[in-house]
Parts: sequence; structure tokens; C-alpha cells
Amino acid sequence: AQTVTQSQPEMSVQEAETVTLSCTYDTSENNYYLFWYKQPPSRQMILVIRQEAYKQQNATENRFSVNFQKAAKSFSLKISDSQLGDTAMYFCARSDFGNEKLTFGTGTRLTIIP
Amino acid sequence: GAGVSQSPSNKVTEKGKDVELRCDPISGHTALYWYRQSLGQGLEFLIYFQGNSAPDKSGLPSDRFSAERTGGSVSTLTIQRTQQEDSAVYLCASSLERGMGYEQYFGPGTRLTVT
Repeated sequence: AQTVTQSQPEMSVQEAETVTLSCTYDTSENNYYLFWYKQPPSRQMILVIRQEAYKQQNATENRFSVNFQKAAKSFSLKISDSQLGDTAMYFCARSDFGNEKLTFGTGTRLTIIP
Repeated sequence: GAGVSQSPSNKVTEKGKDVELRCDPISGHTALYWYRQSLGQGLEFLIYFQGNSAPDKSGLPSDRFSAERTGGSVSTLTIQRTQQEDSAVYLCASSLERGMGYEQYFGPGTRLTVT
């Protein structure tokens, strides 16, 4: 099975600090997509950031950025200047080119401490 | 515009009963997905519809699970003879179309509790 692994079940950080969430994955494909989704207590899954595997440049979205290491099959999420609203479950996910079903990790529960 | 909607938001049923969960995707989205999120677990793919193509049912856990999508829009996930292990949050998502890793937009989910 092609899996996605998040090795940090829970993390907490002080407001305004920077935090990095880890994700590794297993795939035999060369073309694929990687995602970080956020799930607050409302249960609504929200896309945080997306990376195409064929792009070497790391994706960024405002305070959110990734460190994509294709050879190491690693895809970490960095949240800068963390805010209370960042408190949520964060899921790393992968899909193959032409096959859109997402394979998710088990998530990291992130708590931002005021 | 309106996002993905799901109904009911919560459903409690007795073991052995059948349940139907509904998903209304974003208008114009041709791809629709069902996922299951069990307590403390990540999301597990169940089934995927794309336009008029045959659905990808590879994630359905047993033949008690089925889904249909009528008119390329609304989808219903049916669980027959429910078991306690079916208790989970069932999430629906839609995206523009297949290919290119389009963002999947998720609904708020249906929390199913089988007693």
C-alpha cells in the first residue's frame, strides 16, 4: 500500500512562533500531488497548500510554506507567526496524476497557546 | 457560491438498519468523492465518481456499502445492515474534474453512530 505517515500525533506552540509539521510518504509514481489540509473542530476540511511533485520550487501560501524533498519522499509544513485560528488537525495527503483519490496520513493535532 | 453540503449532519441508527447519506456537490464540479473518518484516524477513501465514467469503488469496505450519483450531481451513500464499526464521520468532496490534482472541496460531513 502506498502510505502517508505523520509521525507527530500532537504538537503545541506559543502564539506567534513557528512550527513545522512532518509528513513522509511512499509511492512508486513519478508524477503526483501533495496536499496539506486543515480540519478545525467544525469538521470542515480546508486546503492549506498544494505541491506538484514535478515542481522543484516549494509552494508557499502567506504564512504557510512547505519543504518538499522528493528524493527523501518528505513533505513538511511550516507555519510562521502562528495564530490562535491555526489550532486544528492537519492532514497530509497525496494523489497520483490521473487518479484523484486522496491518501491521507493520520493527522497532527496542533494547538496554538495564547 | 455555495459549498458542498451534506445531510443529515448527524445520524444515530440501530445496528442492522439501513442508512442513506446525501451529498450535494458544488455546481459545475464533475468529480465527487466519499471518504470515511473513523475516530482518531485519518480519512479513508471509499468511492469516486467522475462525469459519466464508471465509478471507482475500490475503497468500499464491504458489499453493504454502495453509492450512486444521479444526473451527475447529487450523490447518495447507502449502508445496509449497519454495524457498530460503521460508526464514523462520512465526508463528501467535489472537484472541477479529473486530472491535474484539482483541489477537493469538502462538505461538513455526516456523523454516523450505530448503536
